[in-house]
Amino acid sequence: AQSVAQPEDQVNVAEGNPLTVKCTYSVSGNPYLFWYVQYPNRGLQFLLKYITGDNLVKGSYGFEAEFNKSQTSFHLKKPSALVSDSALYFCAVRDTTGNNRLAFGKGNQVVVIP
Amino acid sequence: GAGVSQSPSNKVTEKGKDVELRCDPISGHTALYWYRQSLGQGLEFLIYFQGNSAPDKSGLPSDRFSAERTGGSVSTLTIQRTQQEDSAVYLCASSLGATSGGLDSYEQYFGPGTRLTVT
Repeated sequence: AQSVAQPEDQVNVAEGNPLTVKCTYSVSGNPYLFWYVQYPNRGLQFLLKYITGDNLVKGSYGFEAEFNKSQTSFHLKKPSALVSDSALYFCAVRDTTGNNRLAFGKGNQVVVIP
Repeated sequence: GAGVSQSPSNKVTEKGKDVELRCDPISGHTALYWYRQSLGQGLEFLIYFQGNSAPDKSGLPSDRFSAERTGGSVSTLTIQRTQQEDSAVYLCASSLGATSGGLDSYEQYFGPGTRLTVT
């Protein structure tokens, strides 16, 4: 069964500094990887995905993530954090065996300090 | 265009009562998913529909939980004889589904959720 680990509970970063949210995964075969963001009292909003191709994928709001197969990681990054980036971030994985369910990590609370 | 909608947004019910949660997916999306978000368990998969069929219902926590989808569109999640541990936010998502063939078929779009509180 597929699974995701997001090792940090909360990530604090000063506004303007680089932001990194870590994610490692476990899956049979090749992974499909996703990042979602959740603002208070809102549903999950899609940020970006890795399916195939370039290991560096770019998504919404200036976010990007790098797929590293040898380290089974898919860390989310943003070069310069904004206060409005403060939210809950979820990494998710789906395997390629036809099982369409997403397995989510526990989520990371990101706090951007003005 | 319109996104995934869910109703009601909040539901408070007494232990032992039945509840129905509704999901309207994005028009044209053949795949529909139900997840549950709770503090202790994070985000859990419940059930997946492709069209009106549910090829994967392995995430339903007990036989008190059931779901159906009609006309390849609206889905209803029913919880019978609710218990306090059923309190959570129930999220619905949809995607283009397995028949689309394109890369975008893997993106799941989520609704705002229904917050269920069982007293």
